[in-house]
Amino acid sequence: GQQLNQSPQSMFIQEGEDVSMNCTSSSIFNTWLWYKQEPGEGPVLLIALYKAGELTSNGRLTAQFGITRKDSFLNISASIPSDVGIYFCAGLTGANSKLTFGKGITLSVRP
Amino acid sequence: DAGVIQSPRHEVTEMGQEVTLRCKPISGHDYLFWYRQTMMRGLELLIYFNNNVPIDDSGMPEDRFSAKMPNASFSTLKIQPSEPRDSAVYFCASRRLSYNEQFFGPGTRLTVL
Repeated sequence: GQQLNQSPQSMFIQEGEDVSMNCTSSSIFNTWLWYKQEPGEGPVLLIALYKAGELTSNGRLTAQFGITRKDSFLNISASIPSDVGIYFCAGLTGANSKLTFGKGITLSVRP
Repeated sequence: DAGVIQSPRHEVTEMGQEVTLRCKPISGHDYLFWYRQTMMRGLELLIYFNNNVPIDDSGMPEDRFSAKMPNASFSTLKIQPSEPRDSAVYFCASRRLSYNEQFFGPGTRLTVL
């Protein structure tokens, strides 16, 4: 079946640093979504990408839809303590309505 | 605008008891999804509905699990009888037909003793 690979499992950065996260797959996706989940809450949608090569920003967050359609990247610039959480990528093939999720990356930000 | 609403937020029950989780999707959304999240397995899709009709229930782990959507504004996920391995956080999500973005509720944390 389809799988999305996110690594490493955890990232530790200093406040103010930029961080980049990858999401890769051997399958092609038509839509990429990035979510953030904080403790005790549901995943919150950060950015949606619909076209290969698309680059979209949401404040300090920037995400790109890989040109091969098999990967996506999320960048967070000038990190702050409230960026702490688990970041999930999710992909949709269009063949059905089922999202495929990565395992998530836990981000820690040291003040 | 109200997001996806789930109740209860926390449920503690004893093995063998029936558990019912509830979800109200975002108004106007056509799809509703039930997920389960555990540390070991991450986010798993259990079942999803389109216009109140179950489309794919291949993720439902066993016959002990059932889901219904009697109308566009309400869905339930029932576990009967519950077992300790059902302990997890259960999420409901919804989306519109013409958009691929799914919006999640806050989840129900289920603990089966």
